[in-house]
Amino acid sequence: EPEVTQTPSHQVTQMGQEVILRCVPISNHLYFYWYRQILGQKVEFLVSFYNNEISEKSEIFDDQFSVERPDGSNFTLKIRSTKLEDSAMYFCASSIQGAGGYTFGSGTRLTVV
Amino acid sequence: QQPVQSPQAVILREGEDAVINCSSSKALYSVHWYRQKHGEAPVFLMILLKGGEQKGHDKISASFNEKKQQSSLYLTASQLSYSGTYFCGTAGTGNQFYFGTGTSLTVIP
Repeated sequence: EPEVTQTPSHQVTQMGQEVILRCVPISNHLYFYWYRQILGQKVEFLVSFYNNEISEKSEIFDDQFSVERPDGSNFTLKIRSTKLEDSAMYFCASSIQGAGGYTFGSGTRLTVV
Repeated sequence: QQPVQSPQAVILREGEDAVINCSSSKALYSVHWYRQKHGEAPVFLMILLKGGEQKGHDKISASFNEKKQQSSLYLTASQLSYSGTYFCGTAGTGNQFYFGTGTSLTVIP
């Protein structure tokens, strides 16, 4: 069964450092998403990406965040200057169509110290 | 924006039934249901598009009342493997998509 792959599975970084979280969506999917989940809390929408541009973003996705699809397979989330409150599980997801079911990656646990 | 789910938590014995409700203050285009086990990613269960759709998946089914902006997930004859947190996810007319507040379901022997 096709999978969404995320790397690394766990990243620890110092406050103020830049991090890049990587995702390889399912190859024939067209819509890509980043979500985050602070431990024990709800899953929060960050951004959706279609046709090489951001289609929607939430209020969480401020200037510290950016996304990129640098080649035909990777989809990255960059946090420029991490804060303690950025510590969370970050999930990448993809779907074949905008209103379709999402396939989630297994997540990257980001710990900011 | 975020859909509200009820109940927040439920504990069932194996074989019992449960209903999880999801309600939105905004107009809905579709409703998704996901289950998340502790420490794992959400797993897609089903999607319902507008128009009073109902769907089933094994002994888990769902309904979508577009007029009331509500959806319900029905778990019948629950199994231990049903334990987890269930999230509804709702989409409006654009690409906005928000997960609900979550319902923790625990099935005990």
